[in-house]
Amino acid sequence: QVQLQESGPGLVRPSQTLSLTCTVSGGSINSGDYYWTWIRQHPGKGLEWIGYIYYTGGTYYNPSLKSQIIISVDTSQNQFSLKLSSVTAADTAVYYCARVPKGYSYGYLDYWGQGTLVTVSS
Amino acid sequence: EIVLTQSPGTLSLSPGERATLSCRASQSVYSNYLAWYQQKPGQAPRLLIYGASSRAAGIPDRFSGSGSGTDFTLTISRLEPEDFAVYYCQQYGSSVSWTFGQGTKVEIE
Repeated sequence: QVQLQESGPGLVRPSQTLSLTCTVSGGSINSGDYYWTWIRQHPGKGLEWIGYIYYTGGTYYNPSLKSQIIISVDTSQNQFSLKLSSVTAADTAVYYCARVPKGYSYGYLDYWGQGTLVTVSS
Repeated sequence: EIVLTQSPGTLSLSPGERATLSCRASQSVYSNYLAWYQQKPGQAPRLLIYGASSRAAGIPDRFSGSGSGTDFTLTISRLEPEDFAVYYCQQYGSSVSWTFGQGTKVEIE
């Protein structure tokens, strides 16, 4: 069974870059059968899709966050990563990584990591 | 961007009762590319339904999804104690952005 695990600092200073990594186990990122995505959830709020990456490195980002985001993949480590630049308190959230089955109707998220809380504060 | 509006915000029911949750889209969802998720406190969301009506692997058949176009419904036929949670809908039919509804909390009456 596939498992995803987020890792990274829990506290980031304002204007700095938030960096998170998702490690995938129980399956290979370069199988080609999935996209790999980031989602965030502001405290007590709903879910916001951030962007996704394919094992080839192709990406698609939420247009509202595009200027801040870089998502990358390291197939040798079976990991993908998120960098969010110039963060403010509004970027405080639980960040999830998740898997998206590739296919004609791709876009739903079938496996999720447990999430990691990132607080932006000085 | 397609905006999804879920109703009601909170649903107060007893175990054994039927729950009907609504998700309305601001424009038609292409090919009914709509999913439902369940989230319990401190946990990640869990996929229940995709393609508006297909149950994900391992999801009990008391969960069912229906609808098309702009109006979608998640029905839980008989609530079990473990079903009290927050439910989100998500559309993935837009070529611009995937979006989620704001959630419906199903609580014990």
